[in-house]
Amino acid sequence: QLQLQESGPGLVKPSETLSLTCTVSGGSIRRSNYYWGWIRQPPGKGLEWIESVYYTGSAYHNPSLQSRVTVSVDVSKNQFSLTLSSVTAADTAMYYCARQVAAAKGDYFDYWGQGTLVTVSS
Amino acid sequence: DIQLTQSPSSLSASVGDRVTITCRASQGISTYLNWYQQKPGEAPKLLISAPSSFQSGVPSRFSGSGSGTDFTLTINNLQPEDFATYYCQQCYTTPYTFGQGTKLDI
Repeated sequence: QLQLQESGPGLVKPSETLSLTCTVSGGSIRRSNYYWGWIRQPPGKGLEWIESVYYTGSAYHNPSLQSRVTVSVDVSKNQFSLTLSSVTAADTAMYYCARQVAAAKGDYFDYWGQGTLVTVSS
Repeated sequence: DIQLTQSPSSLSASVGDRVTITCRASQGISTYLNWYQQKPGEAPKLLISAPSSFQSGVPSRFSGSGSGTDFTLTINNLQPEDFATYYCQQCYTTPYTFGQGTKLDI
């Protein structure tokens, strides 16, 4: 059974950089037809897709965040990571990592981590 | 960006009822729409992937339909475990976007 687990600091100061890692177990991150994504959800609000990355490091981002987002993949550790720079209170959210299936009829997120709450506050 | 508008935003129903949730896209997205269920304190769970493929373990009382700009999620014979928030998500183009959610409660 595939499992994803987010890790990272729960509290980040304004203007600093948020860094999160997703560890995948039960399956290899190095597989074709799968991307690995980050989605966030501010408290009490809806879902926002942040970015998706392939195991080769090829990635695409939400333009609303693109200039602040950096992603990376560590195949040897079966992990992928997200960094978001210059954070503000608006970046306070539950951050989920998820597996994205690249399907002919449309991609979808089928496995999700439990999420990690990141609060931006001084 | 493609905007998805769900209606209603909240819905009260009873066990055994049939409910329908609508998702309208701001432009045509063919059948590139997924549905997720989220319970409090949990991650979203994929219910239906485009165009109407059930995920393993999803009961047959759930069904999805639609194309273009108008989509529906129907739940027949509501069960206690179905009370949750439901989100649609378009996978037609990036940035992927989600509807604002429909909260289904008793």
